[in-house]
Amino acid sequence: EDQVTQSPEALRLQEGESSSLNCSYTVSGLRGLFWYRQDPGKGPEFLFTLYSAGEEKEKERLKATLTKKESFLHITAPKPEDSATYLCAVRVTQGGSEKLVFGKGTKLTVNP
Amino acid sequence: ETGVTQTPRHLVMGMTNKKSLKCEQHLGHNAMYWYKQSAKKPLELMFVYSYEKLSINESVPSRFSPECPNSSLLNLHLHALQPEDSALYLCASSQGFTGVHYGYTFGSGTRLTVV
Repeated sequence: EDQVTQSPEALRLQEGESSSLNCSYTVSGLRGLFWYRQDPGKGPEFLFTLYSAGEEKEKERLKATLTKKESFLHITAPKPEDSATYLCAVRVTQGGSEKLVFGKGTKLTVNP
Repeated sequence: ETGVTQTPRHLVMGMTNKKSLKCEQHLGHNAMYWYKQSAKKPLELMFVYSYEKLSINESVPSRFSPECPNSSLLNLHLHALQPEDSALYLCASSQGFTGVHYGYTFGSGTRLTVV
């Protein structure tokens, strides 16, 4: 069964304190790994897509990396506005159709 | 209107009611999705409408039924729901599966409470 596990469930950082979020996956036929940001009361907002091991993408203070078994979302010198839940999802093929399988998310709180 | 619009934003309904959630995308996408998001659980895919074909997650109870009037609309009809159906229901769209590279575009969701 395709599975996506995110850790930690929750993370509290001080402003400027860099850290990483983890997304490990067990899937057959990975066809892309996605990171989303979700603010309270809103739908997820697309951040990155990664396709192959060794690939990296950056956006402002965020950098996503991918290995064969996991992905990391590195947050450098975070600010309070980076507080959100970060979701990881993998695109898989099942029964001839494709879908995204999501993890439970990591709730990030950045204190000023 | 831009992006993906969901209405209503909040809904409280009794277990004997019938209601509908509406989703409209203004992006010209040709695939639409309904997801259920419950606390401390991953997003659960409920339905996919793509290339004029509706795909159903077989674990979704029949008290949820999708309707796709056209390629821009994907409604979700609710009937005889249970309290455990209370959740945030998210609609999303993409430009087919090849367009997933750019990620799904999600609406803001409907917060459903069943009493």
